[in-house]
Amino acid sequence: DSGVTQTPKHLITATGQRVTLRCSPRSGDLSVYWYQQSLDQGLQFLIQYYNGEERAKGNILERFSAQQFPDLHSELNLSSLELGDSALYFCASSALVGNTIYFGEGSWLTVV
Amino acid sequence: AQSVTQLGSHVSVSEGALVLLRCNYSSSVPPYLFWYVQYPNQGLQLLLKYTSAATLVKGINGFEAEFKKSETSFHLTKPSAHMSDAAEYFCAVSTPGFQKLVFGTGTRLLVSP
Repeated sequence: DSGVTQTPKHLITATGQRVTLRCSPRSGDLSVYWYQQSLDQGLQFLIQYYNGEERAKGNILERFSAQQFPDLHSELNLSSLELGDSALYFCASSALVGNTIYFGEGSWLTVV
Repeated sequence: AQSVTQLGSHVSVSEGALVLLRCNYSSSVPPYLFWYVQYPNQGLQLLLKYTSAATLVKGINGFEAEFKKSETSFHLTKPSAHMSDAAEYFCAVSTPGFQKLVFGTGTRLLVSP
């Protein structure tokens, strides 16, 4: 158990819908990351937050957004969902610069 | 920009045989390097990491990796494979001051009896 908690574990939704994935980082970790894992694109970095502020942005679509709240939990919002958004979405967290990044078990999103 | 290349999408070994999973990196600055393992239907678990200390890094479950700057490699090894080692292994690179991990495409390790 990495200490990073993600909910829901599985989600099935229809095209055009919007979903929110939630992440609680390890206790004390200030940094939260979101990754997408799909068969065709592998593990792709989406976005990073550090203590509530966006720190880095990767291959995140405009239909996707994220935020980190004062209690340090984070949410990834996916809207206007397409079939190709079906993937495993990982949240990860770390304490400070140079520290190890720990991954949650992921949220499986299936868009039908 | 940093990148990693994992040679071989699938590696098959017999139980008890040596495991060697290859990873080469590209980085314009001294890298941090990581190996993660993903068991079926599970998240990513850190096996080991290199952060510019000892070049031979020991990890969990008997795995180790050696950082070779001259070869820009960080290959993962285990002297004797166990059935429970069957999983997907990912090499990743980061840089000090910027923690984004860039992952390789992964290598699926198959272990036969």
